[in-house]
Amino acid sequence: DIVLTQTPLSSPVTLGQPASISCKSSQSLAHSDGNTYLSWLHQRPGQPPRLLIYKISNRFSGVPDRFSGSGAGTDFTLYISRVEAEDVGVYYCMQATQFPYTFGQGTKLDIK
Amino acid sequence: QVQLAESGGGVVQTGGSLRLSCAASGFSVSNYGMHWVRQAPGKGLEWVALIRHDGNDAFYADSVKGRFTISRDNSKNTLYLQMSSLRAEDTAVYYCVKVHDYVWGILGYWGQGILVTVSS
Repeated sequence: DIVLTQTPLSSPVTLGQPASISCKSSQSLAHSDGNTYLSWLHQRPGQPPRLLIYKISNRFSGVPDRFSGSGAGTDFTLYISRVEAEDVGVYYCMQATQFPYTFGQGTKLDIK
Repeated sequence: QVQLAESGGGVVQTGGSLRLSCAASGFSVSNYGMHWVRQAPGKGLEWVALIRHDGNDAFYADSVKGRFTISRDNSKNTLYLQMSSLRAEDTAVYYCVKVHDYVWGILGYWGQGILVTVSS
């Protein structure tokens, strides 16, 4: 199985400041169809996860443009340009290049 | 708009069976791949199963293979997860998920989830 390792596991941030989360894969996530199926999801306490970013850098419908993603191969990053109060919660990366689909362990973002 | 409503959860004894349902609205389950993803209390996310849009194939996590079956009823626009030989480690909130843009690997739309507790 592909292992996704997120860092940091916890990130206290100041409102209005940027934040980033790294996701490293145990093997390349490049698919034979030319795509890389690396997504980022956000889960607020007591809520289901919601998709933020798919295929490395594509924002899902309704996601604010302060969220962006980058990377290739085995190294990926989620960026938040200016953290807002509603951004607290846990962020997960997820790979869907190979079965079984797997998730990172999660990064908890909270406000300083 | 897309809506997914899970039901059928509850408390079941170790070794027992349970069937989860996911009623879909705003789209036809016959046209899209659908997933189940679970989350043990206080833990991270675990992918469980995928059924192809055409229903001709399904894929499972090793942890549930041979015990869980994903299926759907197009006439009821409903996705199912039949769970048997349940274990304590199957205790989790189970989410029904619709793919985005017909792509299996983009888990775009999530239900609110339903709790399954396996108790001895």
